Amino acid sequence: DGGITQSPKYLFRKEGQNVTLSCEQNLNHDAMYWYRQDPGQGLRLIYYSQIVNDFQKGDIAEGYSVSREKKESFPLTVTSAQKNPTAFYLCASSIPASHSNQPQHFGDGTRLSIL
Amino acid sequence: EDQVTQSPEALRLQEGESSSLNCSYTVSGLRGLFWYRQDPGKGPEFLFTLYSAGEEKEKERLKATLTKKESFLHITAPKPEDSATYLCAVREGNTGFQKLVFGTGTRLLVSP
Repeated sequence: DGGITQSPKYLFRKEGQNVTLSCEQNLNHDAMYWYRQDPGQGLRLIYYSQIVNDFQKGDIAEGYSVSREKKESFPLTVTSAQKNPTAFYLCASSIPASHSNQPQHFGDGTRLSIL
Repeated sequence: EDQVTQSPEALRLQEGESSSLNCSYTVSGLRGLFWYRQDPGKGPEFLFTLYSAGEEKEKERLKATLTKKESFLHITAPKPEDSATYLCAVREGNTGFQKLVFGTGTRLLVSP
């Protein structure tokens, strides 16, 4: 079945540590996105990528980094510069923006906590 | 600034008790309004896309409608398995990519 796989489901970060969240999709989508979800807030966009080897900052990119070396993969690194990393992280994908009637599809998220 | 406001924050219904969830938005150039369902600990699951005022979409017990300033998600004769958080998102027209602005959601609990 086609879908988006995020791993791990739970992740713990120590002070000063960088951690990487995995996102893999087999939907053949060109565009991929990372969101952060906090209680009482809407999903907020961290980074997005419309094609391989290209990505752009979203609304809250500080303290995060991404890469897009393959169409299927869009890993997110939460760096030690992100002072409040505890949140639920969601990866999504979609076909290109020119097809505006197509929705974004989401993975089942990674919950990151501080040790 | 583009905004999406959902109400109520939480809603408790008895099984079979119909109701509606509201999503009001202010966006420059709406290019789509999306409804998602999110279960605890899971990612959002796509339900509907609406584009123009007057448009309606239906799926089982759910019906979504759209006006120029708001959308409603009507739930007819809900069942306990409809319990979830329902998210609304709008795609704004000023960007070249599919940027979505999300509301904070409505938590729905349907009791047997």
